Amino acid sequence: DTGVSQDPRHKITKRGQNVTFRCDPISEHNRLYWYRQTLGQGPEFLTYFQNEAQLEKSRLLSDRFSAERPKGSFSTLEIQRTEQGDSAMYLCASIQPRQGALREAFFGQGTRLTVV
Amino acid sequence: GNSVTQMEGPVTLSEEAFLTINCTYTATGYPSLFWYVQYPGEGLQLLLKATKADDKGSNKGFEATYRKETTSFHLEKGSVQVSDSAVYFCALSDWDRDDKIIFGKGTRLHILP
Repeated sequence: DTGVSQDPRHKITKRGQNVTFRCDPISEHNRLYWYRQTLGQGPEFLTYFQNEAQLEKSRLLSDRFSAERPKGSFSTLEIQRTEQGDSAMYLCASIQPRQGALREAFFGQGTRLTVV
Repeated sequence: GNSVTQMEGPVTLSEEAFLTINCTYTATGYPSLFWYVQYPGEGLQLLLKATKADDKGSNKGFEATYRKETTSFHLEKGSVQVSDSAVYFCALSDWDRDDKIIFGKGTRLHILP
């Protein structure tokens, strides 16, 4: 396993449809993060997991968004009833289990969502 | 809360020019500081990092020094190449207080041949 992989790379959907993205982290990494990046902005934190437990959710994560990591390995991010404002790059990152400052996040290539 | 402010782009330079991208941060604790790079259509790659005051992170000719007195982490490169064209993000994490990385808005860099 050479890195974090995300699928699909691109998704075009009609407004109101549901979409699901998948992230496969680096295998020994216990923390998994989801970020959203809109055009011209930096990535914004959405949520993160330690193993299978979802430990924090941002206020950006409306009730139309749900994330899971059922076995502490891959994770899915689902958006229900998509809106045009959901169009963004969704980034996944994983972090190895090290102490504090030694932690380093490895990002996937992202899923670009376009809602038309 | 913690935050990162970096200079707005785009920054356009000629090849072999000297590069500086300014970054300042606000943090209640003692964060680790990072520069990430994003090439077109790609995800984020860690370029360099520093974990304590006066540390210098370096990679691929880029450098940044953790300056606690000025709360800064400016990115520099002595001679840029066309292949350095990308978006650069300054970021911080304060793992003792918060379990996330906070990013600046990014600076787009164009290098002209």
